[in-house]
Amino acid sequence: KAGVTQTPRYLIKTRGQQVTLSCSPISGHRSVSWYQQTPGQGLQFLFEYFSETQRNKGNFPGRFSGRQFSNSRSEMNVSTLELGDSALYLCASSSFRGTGELFFGEGSRLTVL
Amino acid sequence: QKEVEQNSGPLSVPEGAIASLNCTYSDRGSQSFFWYRQYSGKSPELIMSIYSNGDKEDGRFTAQLNKASQYVSLLIRDSQPSDSATYLCAVPAFPGGGADGLTFGKGTHLIIQP
Repeated sequence: KAGVTQTPRYLIKTRGQQVTLSCSPISGHRSVSWYQQTPGQGLQFLFEYFSETQRNKGNFPGRFSGRQFSNSRSEMNVSTLELGDSALYLCASSSFRGTGELFFGEGSRLTVL
Repeated sequence: QKEVEQNSGPLSVPEGAIASLNCTYSDRGSQSFFWYRQYSGKSPELIMSIYSNGDKEDGRFTAQLNKASQYVSLLIRDSQPSDSATYLCAVPAFPGGGADGLTFGKGTHLIIQP
């Protein structure tokens, strides 16, 4: 069974640009959540999608958005990039929403110059 | 806002000894608790979950929960060099559970010395 797949794995952007990251969950998993990981702040929850609807959102500005498609694949978008957005963005999926048993992808490492 | 506190370490433990990792949480209403392990350059993976006061054992790992003290710990017996990693404690971010958002501590960096 394939794991959670995230693309791209690495990307470099400049301030003011926008970026879209993609996540394909484990087959059969309908819940997808996104996290930002930085050395200073650790792993922080961004948002969660289930059945194409955003269910919860963490404490991030509106520049961070996402969506989920009918096949459970998800994308997140960050607009007007800032230097502080440089981070590892991790996507996680779960088979049963609310269990806390998350399967993480390898992440997309974003560098903002 | 829910907070999860962990000692960042590094915590250095000799091979074969017991490694003890600790975590405190701020929300007394938290009902479920998770330990994730993250190797350097890799993504986190779930190793233990615990929901009731007391101990839960899984192989060399034991999770301990004390809700009155708002304290959860992870014991690793017979520590191996392969246990060297960062261990992340997490609780559900939203009241009542039912969601996949987790609040993570910043993690404890564990080093097992051969």
